Amino acid sequence: EVQLVESGGGLVKPGGSLRLSCAASGFTFSSYSMNWVRQAPGKGLEWVSSITSTSTYTYYADSVKGRFTISRDNAKNSVYLQMNSLRVDDTAVYYCARGGCSATSCYLDYWGQGTLVTVSS
Amino acid sequence: ENVLTQSPGTLSLSPGERATLSCRASQSISSNYFAWYQQKAGQAPRLLIYGASNRATGIPDRFSGSGSGTDFTLTISRLEPEDFAVYYCRRMWTFGQGTKVEIK
Repeated sequence: EVQLVESGGGLVKPGGSLRLSCAASGFTFSSYSMNWVRQAPGKGLEWVSSITSTSTYTYYADSVKGRFTISRDNAKNSVYLQMNSLRVDDTAVYYCARGGCSATSCYLDYWGQGTLVTVSS
Repeated sequence: ENVLTQSPGTLSLSPGERATLSCRASQSISSNYFAWYQQKAGQAPRLLIYGASNRATGIPDRFSGSGSGTDFTLTISRLEPEDFAVYYCRRMWTFGQGTKVEIK
C-alpha cells in the first residue's frame, strides 16, 4: 500500500524557516518524481514544487522561488521542503504527492494527509 | 501562463442527479496532462481522472471525463452521498479554483 506521511509543520514567525519531510513507503520511491502542493485555509490547491526521480531537475512556483528548496534522499525514501523567509501568506496545509505517469500522461496519484504550516507573529 | 477556470463555483444537486462540471483553459492545452481531483472536507485530494478521460484506479464508472483544447468536463452520472465534495481540475503546474458539489 502506498503511503506518504508528512511531518515538520508548525507555528513559525514571519521571516523564519521550517523544513518539511515526507516519508514514503509501499512503492519504489527512486522511480517517481515527487511534489509539494499547498492549500491555504479555506482556499484551493496550489502547486509548490516538484523534483524528478534522481533529483536532476527541480521546479518551483513563482510564489516560492528563491525561498523554498525541494530535495530528496532515495536511500531514506523521503522528500523534503526547506522553507526560508516565510511569509504570512505561506500559511497552508502542505501536501506531499507522488508523480505517477502512464504511457501518455502524468498526474499526482497518491497524496499524504498534509502538515499545517502557520506563519504568524 | 495558462489559467484554468472552473464553473460553476457551486453546484447544488440531489443524490441520484447528474453533475456536469466544467474547466476552461485560457489557452489550448494537450489533454495528456489534464486531470480531475476530488477533495472531501478535511481530507487530502484524490485523483479521479487523468489524461482528460481515463479513470484512476478504483474510481467508480459513474465518474467520466471528456474534452480537448480549451474545454474539459467532469460528469458524475448519478450522484451518491459520498460524491458531495470539491472538485479541482489541473494541468501541469496549474489548478483550477474548484467546484463545490453540495447537497440541495
